Formats: sequence, structure tokens, C-alpha cells
Amino acid sequence: QSVLTQPPSVSAAPGQRVTLSCSGSSSSIGNNYVAWYQQLPGTAPKLLIYDNTKRPSGIPDRFSASKSGTSATLDITGLQTGDEADYYCGTWDSSLLGRVFGGGTKVTVL
Amino acid sequence: EVQLVESGGGLVQPGGSLRLSCAASGFTFTNYWMAWVRQAPGKGLEWVADIKEDGGQKYYLDSVKGRFTISRDNAKNSIYLQMNGLRAEDTAVYYCARDRPADIESATHFGYWGQGTLVTVSS
Repeated sequence: QSVLTQPPSVSAAPGQRVTLSCSGSSSSIGNNYVAWYQQLPGTAPKLLIYDNTKRPSGIPDRFSASKSGTSATLDITGLQTGDEADYYCGTWDSSLLGRVFGGGTKVTVL
Repeated sequence: EVQLVESGGGLVQPGGSLRLSCAASGFTFTNYWMAWVRQAPGKGLEWVADIKEDGGQKYYLDSVKGRFTISRDNAKNSIYLQMNGLRAEDTAVYYCARDRPADIESATHFGYWGQGTLVTVSS
């Protein structure tokens, strides 16, 4: 069981918007920056968002994120078939003294 | 271009040992913490260990403490994961990842990942 909670799956049609949630605690999300990773089938994870809201160079602005209290969200707008992947949230947990991840959300484009 | 290349995975019997290596290039290695993250077949990501830029601090997942040791050789731009007392539940793809910059304590993200090396623990 993961320290951060994510819904197992979400789906939407091409062009639509999906919102992925990530729930934690005061020792994890509540007091630390959140990152989001995209893992396309059969590949290594890739950094999508860091420091709660920032996009690395090359990540399109269709991907955006926010954080409020002990929860974070990732929004994907203008959904494309190439966005079909697993998405993970991650942060540091000050009580566990280690990095933690959510269980991942599988995004399916209908 | 940042590159992280893992090696050393394979099939090992329960109770056995394995040493993973990760060769880094394309960035100033001594400016970053480094980490190992694993992914069991069909499962999510699980952080295993990380190490400070000078090797002076290390953190481990509770379930691997006392069995796994992370280390680095800054002269070779490499990190290692010595895994002893391997169990079936350690079976996973092990990824090397570039951790936070040395001078940004608040950073929590893994900026770059290698392609992973598969470790299978089975008799």
C-alpha cells in the first residue's frame, strides 16, 4: 500500500481534459514539494512536473499541476493518444525520512 | 545530454547477492544526490535508497535496511547498489535516478532516469 493515494485509472476521449489526484499527509505533501512522472508503456519514468507546478523544458503546457494542503492534482488538457501512460506523484516524507510515491494512475484515451 | 546507464541485473537465488552499477554522464555528477528506485512487475514505483553528493549521507527504504548498501565513486561518475540477502519480493526493475541538486534541500524530484536493469530473485 502506497503512502500517497492515487485513483487506479481514469479515461477520457481525445481532446478532453482529465484531472488526476494525489492525496498524502502533513508529513509528505503537506510540507514538501510534489513531483509528477509519466511512464509510457515499456519505458522508464520521465519527470513531468516538479516543485508542485513547474514543467521541465520540453514538457507541453497541456500538462499543469497544483497543490493544496495535503493533496495535489495533475491536469492534462487536449488529451492525445500519446498521453496513454501511467502517472505517478512523488515527494519526500519527513516522518519516514524517505521518498514516497503514489500507486499510479493509468490514463486511457478512449 | 544526461545519460544514466544501469548494469548488473540478472537472476539470483533467494539469499544471494548482486551488485548494480549506474554510470552517469552529461552533468556535473558531484553536484547531485543520486538514487535507486525499483518497480516490481506490474506494480508501481518504490524508492530504494539515495546518497548525498559526497557520499556522506544515505537513506534507505525500511525493508532493505541492513541488506542493501548504496555507494558512489565520484572519480568514475558512478553509483552502486550492493544487494545481499535477496528475497523474492526484491524482484523488480531497478532504476538509477538523478536526485536533487546538492544546494537545493527542498527539491524532491528525480530529474532523470536510466532505462533500468531487471533483478529476478528465484530458485
